[in-house]
Amino acid sequence: DGGITQSPKYLFRKEGQNVTLSCEQNLNHDAMYWYRQDPGQGLRLIYYSQIVNDFQKGDIAEGYSVSREKKESFPLTVTSAQKNPTAFYLCASSTVRTQTTPEQFFGPGTRLTVL
Amino acid sequence: AQTVTQSQPEMSVQEAETVTLSCTYDTSESDYYLFWYKQPPSRQMILVIRQEAYKQQNATENRFSVNFQKAAKSFSLKISDSQLGDAAMYFCAYRSHQGGKLIFGQGTELSVKP
Repeated sequence: DGGITQSPKYLFRKEGQNVTLSCEQNLNHDAMYWYRQDPGQGLRLIYYSQIVNDFQKGDIAEGYSVSREKKESFPLTVTSAQKNPTAFYLCASSTVRTQTTPEQFFGPGTRLTVL
Repeated sequence: AQTVTQSQPEMSVQEAETVTLSCTYDTSESDYYLFWYKQPPSRQMILVIRQEAYKQQNATENRFSVNFQKAAKSFSLKISDSQLGDAAMYFCAYRSHQGGKLIFGQGTELSVKP
């Protein structure tokens, strides 16, 4: 089955720790995205990548970092510089040819809690 | 910059009845895509329906249909014959024709009463 997987489902972090959220897709999509979801708000873009070894900051990139060494993988690191990291994190992917398939497909998400 | 607004934080509908969720957006672009995503309690984001701005015909997917008013920048979702499984958070989203990120509204939480 084609799809997007995220791990872990729940993650707990102590103050001052860096943690990495995993996102893998086997849809052969070139573009991948990380969104953050807070209660009462829509999703906000953290980082995105449209090709291997290249990525761009989204609207709320401060305190986060990413890498894109493989087409299938786009891990997100939440650093200690992120002041309020407790949130639900969603990974998505899409083709870059929006004329054929403009929608993004989402993984099941990771719930990060800072202790 | 584009923005998406959902002015109804919560809505309620009786099972088997029809409900309409509102969405307005702002853009200076002429070509773009609009989406409705559903997020049930599992929190998995599921695409419900999409609309291409260049198409005048409103999109329909089974019990789900949209009323796309391009001049008014309005994109409402109608759910007919509501079912208990329709209870979820619904997000309206915008994407430029050139691709890139989705821009989301704040969401509308729909409850379905048996």
